[in-house]
Order: sequence, then C-alpha cells, then structure tokens
Amino acid sequence: DTAVSQTPKYLVTQMGNDKSIKCEQNLGHDTMYWYKQDSKKFLKIMFSYNNKELIINETVPNRFSPKSPDKAHLNLHINSLELGDSAVYFCASSQVTGNTIYFGEGSWLTVV
Amino acid sequence: QKEVEQDPGPLSVPEGAIVSLNCTYSNSAFQYFMWYRQYSRKGPELLMYTYSSGNKEDGRFTAQVDKSSKYISLFIRDSQPSDSATYLCAMSEGATGFQKLVFGTGTRLLVSP
Repeated sequence: DTAVSQTPKYLVTQMGNDKSIKCEQNLGHDTMYWYKQDSKKFLKIMFSYNNKELIINETVPNRFSPKSPDKAHLNLHINSLELGDSAVYFCASSQVTGNTIYFGEGSWLTVV
Repeated sequence: QKEVEQDPGPLSVPEGAIVSLNCTYSNSAFQYFMWYRQYSRKGPELLMYTYSSGNKEDGRFTAQVDKSSKYISLFIRDSQPSDSATYLCAMSEGATGFQKLVFGTGTRLLVSP
C-alpha cells in the first residue's frame, strides 16, 4: 500500500481555471504538508497542518487554499491558475515531533 | 543569498567511486540535518538524518555535519548505478512539524557502469 498517495499525477489545464489535488496518508501521522518543486528542482514548503490545524503558511498566494477534512487527508485547491503555478506539487506527512517526512510521488501541474 | 546552497551538478562518477556531496548554509539556528534522495519522477525519500554536529554512518552512506563551518556532507562509498539520482540536503531549526524544512536545490549524481 502506498503510504502517501496523491491524485492526479499529471494535470494540464488552462490559465484561469480552478483545480484541486488530493492527498491521503495511511501512516497514522498527525502532520501533513504541501511542498512545491519548481523547474529548477527547488523544493519549498507551502503549508503544514497538524491535526487539521494550519501550522505553517509560507506566504503562498491566497489563490492556494489547503483543506484538511481529517488528519489523514490534505487537499490543495488552486483558483485562477497562472502560468507560474506550473510545477510539481508534493504532499507529505510526518509525526509532529518526528524526524522523517514521507513524500508522495508528486503531481505534475502544467498551466497553458 | 539562499539559506542553503548546493551545487546542482551533474556529478558524474564511475561505478565503485567514492562520492562526496555537500551543502553550505547561513542560518546558525539549524540543528537538524537530512539528506534526501529523489529519483526521476518520484518523491524525495529520506536517506540520512543527523542532529547537531558529528558523523553518522548507515551502510555505504556517511553523513557529516560541521556546524562551526555551516557545512554538511554526504559520502557514498562503492557507488552503484542505482545511486544515480538527485540528492537534496535539508535542514530545520526544530521539530519537524512546527519548523519548516529548508531544502537545497539538489545535486544530480550520475554513476556510470
């Protein structure tokens, strides 16, 4: 079973559209994250949630809205997509006091 | 200047070589240091974790942290073609859930048979 799974893996969409990426973890972790990896492979945290509460919000535009219905799920909704949003988005999870973050396989978003 | 600097490579070595990968950082508050490996089209996976200064060994991998120089290294002995991947260093000031993990840009390693 995949520990951190995210869907869709590939997404091509037009500018101005709204899209969502879903993430689920079956590791029993209490903390989940969204990371963005740009074309230069730079991986940067966007959000972290602990037990459904927002802990870290790294000055991400408010077009990005994470939603955590329960501690096993953290979805990412993006409004009014822009060309610069094209990137790979990784969901991840860990225990809040743990040292290991487990990443999903990534969602490749291309905005045209 | 980025908080964490890492040479993007690529670093090409023959099979069996010893590989040295390095990162420098500017934030003296970093205490937790990690190395992640990322294969193409996959998510990063944790290889090594070190707290504060010192060395840690796990099989063919050795991680070193020198906080006085703000410099961390990952050594891979007897490198294999399966080690070909991008290696990302990462570090944080505190506990994973409450302190953001800052990544380097990654070094692409190519091990030829």
